[in-house]
Amino acid sequence: GAGVSQSPSNKVTEKGKDVELRCDPISGHTALYWYRQSLGQGLEFLIYFQGNSAPDKSGLPSDRFSAERTGGSVSTLTIQRTQQEDSAVYLCASGAGPFSYNEQFFGPGTRLTVL
Amino acid sequence: QKEVEQDPGPLSVPEGAIVSLNCTYSNSAFQYFMWYRQYSRKGPELLMYTYSSGNKEDGRFTAQVDKSSKYISLFIRDSQPSDSATYLCAMTITDKLIFGTGTRLQVFP
Repeated sequence: GAGVSQSPSNKVTEKGKDVELRCDPISGHTALYWYRQSLGQGLEFLIYFQGNSAPDKSGLPSDRFSAERTGGSVSTLTIQRTQQEDSAVYLCASGAGPFSYNEQFFGPGTRLTVL
Repeated sequence: QKEVEQDPGPLSVPEGAIVSLNCTYSNSAFQYFMWYRQYSRKGPELLMYTYSSGNKEDGRFTAQVDKSSKYISLFIRDSQPSDSATYLCAMTITDKLIFGTGTRLQVFP
């Protein structure tokens, strides 16, 4: 595709439910990143994939958060037993390769609201 | 204390003004320094990136890095209403970006 796409664009859920957020990176991009953007907090790194493996999961805030990537393409971020503090915009970015700092392209994000 | 500090603004300027946006950081291991622009309900887009201390110019935008002071700046000349957005600084360490909180800029006609 032309750019990074994310779905859904908006998700409203009840506290305690599980949610899945999807990211479709730019075709051919091997690096994929998830970030969380909360009001007044800037972007917070969550996890980095190179291909299907995740060499850096250090930003995942708790074991309720997990992510996977299949076929070196689509990635899913799963939040189990959602809490109100999980409400944020979840952004995905892809890059041409490792350490592609100057070539990270962001998707539009998924706005998650936990009631 | 956050590794990257950025004034959230909002910063409101008239069209044509020179805008100065700044970030300070504490980790001397940061390698690359970037500026992103984010329009409302959109993902950030990369404006500029630099590696070394000094200035880098691209059209109306100039990025400045002072590693000795751990201070980076983005200057926008002849600002336009279309420049109204949130500007985020970001810095790299190993494999990830560390972002500032962003400065909201409003350029009024």
